[in-house]
Amino acid sequence: EPEVTQTPSHQVTQMGQEVILRCVPISNHLYFYWYRQILGQKVEFLVSFYNNEISEKSEIFDDQFSVERPDGSNFTLKIRSTKLEDSAMYFCASPRSSGGGYEQYFGPGTRLTVT
Amino acid sequence: KNEVEQSPQNLTAQEGEFITINCSYSVGISALHWLQQHPGGGIVSLFMLSSGKKKHGRLIATINIQEKHSSLHITASHPRDSAVYICAAEFYTDKLIFGTGTRLQVFP
Repeated sequence: EPEVTQTPSHQVTQMGQEVILRCVPISNHLYFYWYRQILGQKVEFLVSFYNNEISEKSEIFDDQFSVERPDGSNFTLKIRSTKLEDSAMYFCASPRSSGGGYEQYFGPGTRLTVT
Repeated sequence: KNEVEQSPQNLTAQEGEFITINCSYSVGISALHWLQQHPGGGIVSLFMLSSGKKKHGRLIATINIQEKHSSLHITASHPRDSAVYICAAEFYTDKLIFGTGTRLQVFP
């Protein structure tokens, strides 16, 4: 079973600090996604990344957010100056083509708490 | 606007009961995903459907493209099925738009 990993599992940070969330997607996958889930709410799309470029981003993904693939395997989400409302679970996902759509493999998530 | 609606929001059942969770979406999609989220937060893919029906163990997922509706059924439910079940629509840009989830509790 393909596996997506994420680190750290839990990050606590103070408001205004920068955080970097890391994901190791399934090898040889070219598409990556970041989603977030605020406690008690539904999962929301943040950004999709294809071939080392952002292919689509949501209105949530403002100038405080950035994504990179620094070394060809890791895939990072950076929040430059965290706000209280950034507290959420952040999931990366790595899709694989399967019969007309893309089967999604999710990482275990990083729980970000901004105090 | 691409929207996904799920019902019910909460569902309780006795062990052994047949369970149905419904999902509807607003516009055409390339695929419909059913996902399971456990209390720790992790999300697991159960099914991806673009037409018809799929079965895996006690889980069955169906989709009606014309009616823009999908259902997830659990036969002979068990307490270990307790989780949040989420439908998510894959629109033609490949990202997923998620429903609000159905919290299922199965009691022994």
